[in-house]
Amino acid sequence: QSALTQPASVSGSPGQSITISCSGTSSDVGGYNYVSWYQQHPGKAPKLMIFDVSNRPSGVSTRFSGSKSGNTASLTISGLQAEDEADYYCTSYSSSTTLYVFGTGTKVTVL
Amino acid sequence: EVQLVQSGAEVKKPGESLKISCQVSGYSFTTYWIGWVRQMPGKGLEWMTMIYPGDSDTRYSPSFQGQVTISVDKSISTAYLYWSSLKASDTAIYYCARRGSGMKAWDYWGQGSLVTVSS
Repeated sequence: QSALTQPASVSGSPGQSITISCSGTSSDVGGYNYVSWYQQHPGKAPKLMIFDVSNRPSGVSTRFSGSKSGNTASLTISGLQAEDEADYYCTSYSSSTTLYVFGTGTKVTVL
Repeated sequence: EVQLVQSGAEVKKPGESLKISCQVSGYSFTTYWIGWVRQMPGKGLEWMTMIYPGDSDTRYSPSFQGQVTISVDKSISTAYLYWSSLKASDTAIYYCARRGSGMKAWDYWGQGSLVTVSS
């Protein structure tokens, strides 16, 4: 089971918007609306930011949004802030394993 | 308040066995999936396995099938991850997580358990 593909790094200036992609297959990202996104700061546990493609848990900033087209999901962070600097991972349910698969991870840098 | 509290750091030798734990509180343990995730030093997250405590339905990633065993003790609301024979390559941080209700995502996470395997 291969990991979902994410860009290794994305950067932006404060106030800008950035988008992180997450590419999979019809057995995972494309086959189900079960993509979620996690933020991980160094030395910390992952934190759920988006669930089921485009839903925000209570308490997560509205600056975070998710979408999906075909086999690719995306996370957009608008109004980039210094505190958004972290690693971001997508994950999707996978029918080939009946488990989940993570993306390769993206390091977001705020310039 | 939902909490997942994991056991502490472990230092083991290759070939030794190990069981780490994830004790939950603040919700009904038997009605939510619990999963385990590995993060090797400086690397990304990897799904290992998950279990539904209510009926012990269990799934393993092909990469971890036969390498680890997931289990639960419903009487103390605790999930476990077990290795019968550790390798140096098992050195990592291991996180447990709960799959949320009404979503197919993992909404609460433990603090992580660092496992170091070294001779």
